[in-house]
Amino acid sequence: NAGVTQTPKFQVLKTGQSMTLQCAQDMNHNSMYWYRQDPGMGLRLIYYSASEGTTDKGEVPNGYNVSRLNKREFSLRLESAAPSQTSVYFCASWSGQGINEQYFGPGTRLTVT
Amino acid sequence: DAKTTQPPSMDCAEGRAANLPCNHSTISGNEYVYWYRQIHSQGPQYIIHGLKNNETNEMASLIITEDRKSSTLILPHATLRDTAVYYCIVRVATSGGSYIPTFGRGTSLIVHP
Repeated sequence: NAGVTQTPKFQVLKTGQSMTLQCAQDMNHNSMYWYRQDPGMGLRLIYYSASEGTTDKGEVPNGYNVSRLNKREFSLRLESAAPSQTSVYFCASWSGQGINEQYFGPGTRLTVT
Repeated sequence: DAKTTQPPSMDCAEGRAANLPCNHSTISGNEYVYWYRQIHSQGPQYIIHGLKNNETNEMASLIITEDRKSSTLILPHATLRDTAVYYCIVRVATSGGSYIPTFGRGTSLIVHP
């Protein structure tokens, strides 16, 4: 049981390049989330998926797109990377039931030059 | 979900108890108090949650005041490995995808030798 996994762990992009961050969970959770965390800041929600087949914007969605490929996988795409998107990206999942807690992945450290 | 207020930083001597406060004065009767921690640049990790009774697990104790307007996370014998940012969150128990957790800046706890 790996929990929430993210790939890649590190990535450097040039301005204007595109890339997709991958996230997968093996806990059969319904809900999945993408956050970004800038230095010294809390986590800010980019997009979330309440269940397979649905996605919704969070607090800071501009410049990103997401795909809930299936129940296990939730990807985040940067179509044209900008230096302002330099951050650590965390994926999380939640069962979608009651008082269960969220589980987080280890993060992807992205630098855009 | 109700808003929480935490001190930005605290410090504690190794081996002593660390008591981390959280104010949630607008908490509703059906909202739970959750605590997570984030050890340097890793994904946040669930610690404990409670509704109105005090709770204890292998990681920590949670003390919730009788009026539920504040709580304290207690690490009974802090170690250097407990140095982390601690987040207090309040949320309702819910089913479905309507749960959008919000993480503020938390409390940065430094445990010193």
